[in-house]
Amino acid sequence: EAQVTQNPRYLITVTGKKLTVTCSQNMNHEYMSWYRQDPGLGLRQIYYSMNVEVTDKGDVPEGYKVSRKEKRNFPLILESPSPNQTSLYFCASRLGPGQPYEQYFGPGTRLTVT
Amino acid sequence: SQQGEEDPQALSIQEGENATMNCSYKTSINNLQWYRQNSGRGLVHLILIRSNEREKHSGRLRVTLDTSKKSSSLLITASRAADTASYFCATGARSGGYNKLIFGAGTRLAVHP
Repeated sequence: EAQVTQNPRYLITVTGKKLTVTCSQNMNHEYMSWYRQDPGLGLRQIYYSMNVEVTDKGDVPEGYKVSRKEKRNFPLILESPSPNQTSLYFCASRLGPGQPYEQYFGPGTRLTVT
Repeated sequence: SQQGEEDPQALSIQEGENATMNCSYKTSINNLQWYRQNSGRGLVHLILIRSNEREKHSGRLRVTLDTSKKSSSLLITASRAADTASYFCATGARSGGYNKLIFGAGTRLAVHP
């Protein structure tokens, strides 16, 4: 089944404790993105990647890192999480440059930083 | 930067009625997409309309796009309780070498049996 998977689905952590949220897709998509969703703000892009070893900042990259060492995986790293990073995070992928433009989303990771 | 803005923020209707949601945006786009999100879950792509199209249908969905007014609408006909979800418009535009999607804050639709 074509899908984007994320782990963990739920995470409660403390300020400053490094964490990684994994994302994997099995559709051979070139493009992958991370978004965060906060009430009243919709989805905001954190980072995106257009291919292996090609990543760039989205609209809200501060406090996050990403890497793209393999085409299928795009982990999101929070080196020193803070309470303002409490949010619902989504990984998404799409085929690549040009059409089709539709994105496929993972199920989400709900992160709470205390 | 938030581009798409949905209206209304929340909509409550009875089963069988039509639901209309609107989206306005600010800058030039090459496509506009609508996504659906069931509570706390991932978004699911519903329909895409290109900037040179004015109307598109998919099952009970009808999307219109007016680039002169920078607005789009999503119509769900003969709504069902299972249509209860949040609906997001997302505008696609070229940013450097990348086709970027910017999402609005969404419309929460509640369909009552």
